[in-house]
Amino acid sequence: EAQVTQNPRYLITVTGKKLTVTCSQNMNHEYMSWYRQDPGLGLRQIYYSMNVEVTDKGDVPEGYKVSRKEKRNFPLILESPSPNQTSLYFCASSLFLSGTGLSGANVLTFGAGSRLTVL
Amino acid sequence: AQKITQTQPGMFVQEKEAVTLDCTYDTSDQSYGLFWYKQPSSGEMIFLIYQGSYDEQNATEGRYSLNFQKARKSANLVISASQLGDSAMYFCAMREGQIRMDSSYKLIFGSGTRLLVRP
Repeated sequence: EAQVTQNPRYLITVTGKKLTVTCSQNMNHEYMSWYRQDPGLGLRQIYYSMNVEVTDKGDVPEGYKVSRKEKRNFPLILESPSPNQTSLYFCASSLFLSGTGLSGANVLTFGAGSRLTVL
Repeated sequence: AQKITQTQPGMFVQEKEAVTLDCTYDTSDQSYGLFWYKQPSSGEMIFLIYQGSYDEQNATEGRYSLNFQKARKSANLVISASQLGDSAMYFCAMREGQIRMDSSYKLIFGSGTRLLVRP
């Protein structure tokens, strides 16, 4: 089954304890991205990756790191988590089809979400 | 300035009736895409429907249709014959510009509308 898999789905941790949320997709997608969802704010992009070894900041990158060593994996790293990073996190992926802005949806496929609580 | 506005934080609809969820957007790009996603209580993000800015016909997918009014910059989601399983949070999102190697392909999300379907 074509999917984006995130782990863990739920995590409670304490301030300052490094953690990694893994993301893996089996659709051979070039593009991968991380979003966080907070009440009243919708989803906001944290980081994205156009392909292996190519990553860049989204709208809210502070406090996060990412890496893209393999096409299928795009882990999100919180080096020193703080309570304001308590959120619902989504990994998403898509085929990258250059020049298809006029046609084709380039639909983002989302993972099931990872609910993180930082105490 | 907010790029995607969903003015209805919550809505009720009677089962089997139609409902319209509002979405207005703001962009100066001529090429853009509009998406609707559904988020049930389980938390995953489910793609529903897509409308490209150059698409002349309103998009339809089963019971979902997108009422696209370009001059008004609105992209309302219409759900016909509501079912109990339609109870969820609904997000409108926009991708600005064409897909290019130097673009981030970011989706900008609204704050969502929670729909409750009454039996």
